[in-house]
Amino acid sequence: GAVVSQHPSWVICKSGTSVKIECRSLDFQATTMFWYRQFPKQSLMLMATSNEGSKATYEQGVEKDKFLINHASLTLSTLTVTSAHPEDSSFYICSAKGQIRYGYTFGSGTRLTVV
Amino acid sequence: QQQVKQSPQSLIVQKGGIPIINCAYENTAFDYFPWYQQFPGKGPALLIAIRPDVSEKKEGRFTISFNKSAKQFSLHIMDSQPGDSATYFCAASIYGNTGKLIFGQGTTLQVKP
Repeated sequence: GAVVSQHPSWVICKSGTSVKIECRSLDFQATTMFWYRQFPKQSLMLMATSNEGSKATYEQGVEKDKFLINHASLTLSTLTVTSAHPEDSSFYICSAKGQIRYGYTFGSGTRLTVV
Repeated sequence: QQQVKQSPQSLIVQKGGIPIINCAYENTAFDYFPWYQQFPGKGPALLIAIRPDVSEKKEGRFTISFNKSAKQFSLHIMDSQPGDSATYFCAASIYGNTGKLIFGQGTTLQVKP
């Protein structure tokens, strides 16, 4: 079946530093990848959509310069949280949509804690 | 128009019961309706999905009922088990377009032994 690997599972960083989260589709080519943010006991909030080789499309209210998304290949997308602050602490989840008919595969998520 | 409304917010059933979670949508262009199960600290996992040309789909103990005219769909979990205790999300998308998945608010299910 389709597998999406997301790393790291958790990360703690100091305020002001940057953190990179990787999302890889292991056994299929992901034409589109999505990045979500989830706060405790809340639903998934879509942050941005990225297509391989193109600039990401950000949802309204999401800061492009803070959340840098790169989708350089059909199997890898990265989310970089720049100059992280405690309010950026959250659970970040990627999802990949490939050529599989009607299917999205989610990564296992990354718990980011900014101290 | 992009919203998917999910209810109830939480649900408690006894083992063997049949919890039912409901979702409603507005955008008639949606053509893919999945349900996801999420455990704490994990990403969502696809349970079952349906297309609008089908009124019901069963996979194991999970059944989706779809009412196109009412723009509603629901998840039924047959013979629920304590291991089914999790948060369930419905979602909808226009798969062939940007394919953005719009999620419902989530339902926390507790199945008591």
